[in-house]
Amino acid sequence: KQEVTQIPAALSVPEGENLVLNCSFTDSAIYNLQWFRQDPGKGLTSLLLIQSSQREQTSGRLNASLDKSSGRSTLYIAASQPGDSATYLCAVRGNKLVFGAGTILRVKS
Amino acid sequence: GAVVSQHPSWVICKSGTSVKIECRSLDFQATTMFWYRQFPKQSLMLMATSNEGSKATYEQGVEKDKFLINHASLTLSTLTVTSAHPEDSSFYICSARSRWGGSTDTQYFGPGTRLTVL
Repeated sequence: KQEVTQIPAALSVPEGENLVLNCSFTDSAIYNLQWFRQDPGKGLTSLLLIQSSQREQTSGRLNASLDKSSGRSTLYIAASQPGDSATYLCAVRGNKLVFGAGTILRVKS
Repeated sequence: GAVVSQHPSWVICKSGTSVKIECRSLDFQATTMFWYRQFPKQSLMLMATSNEGSKATYEQGVEKDKFLINHASLTLSTLTVTSAHPEDSSFYICSARSRWGGSTDTQYFGPGTRLTVL
């Protein structure tokens, strides 16, 4: 059974800092990995999707990497802003899409 | 990008009543829709997968007689919580996969429905 773990569970940083969110998964037989953002009481916004054959994806200030063999992914956020405050979810797709518990990010102005 | 809507966005009901939540794919046809439940500060847990025109497949531990899922068209799936109780209070999120996508294609998520059972 696939298990997805996200570390840290919560993170508070001052505005402007670069930060890294971590995601690990137990079964490396995945098709892709996806990072989402969730604002309080809201649905999911897809940020980046990395296919299993890819090593990384970039979108603006976000960069996600994938090391399938070791079961790890990182989401790098450059020059963080208060608007980045949200919960970030990692999800891996095997037979199903399995989510981690998320990292709650707070960027202080 | 593909848009998935849910209605209502929030609902409060009395214990013992039934509540129906709608999930619509607005600009694409979805052969497969997924229903998730999210408790406070927890992640999304898949409840069931529904394919248009066939019975839904429920995850282990999810009562199919309590959570009725109907996927009668390529753009609409409904989740009915029957005889709701306070422990059913949660955030319900649906997701849809394009008709033309393979099993690994992107799922598009709705904005969620907050259910509160008094």
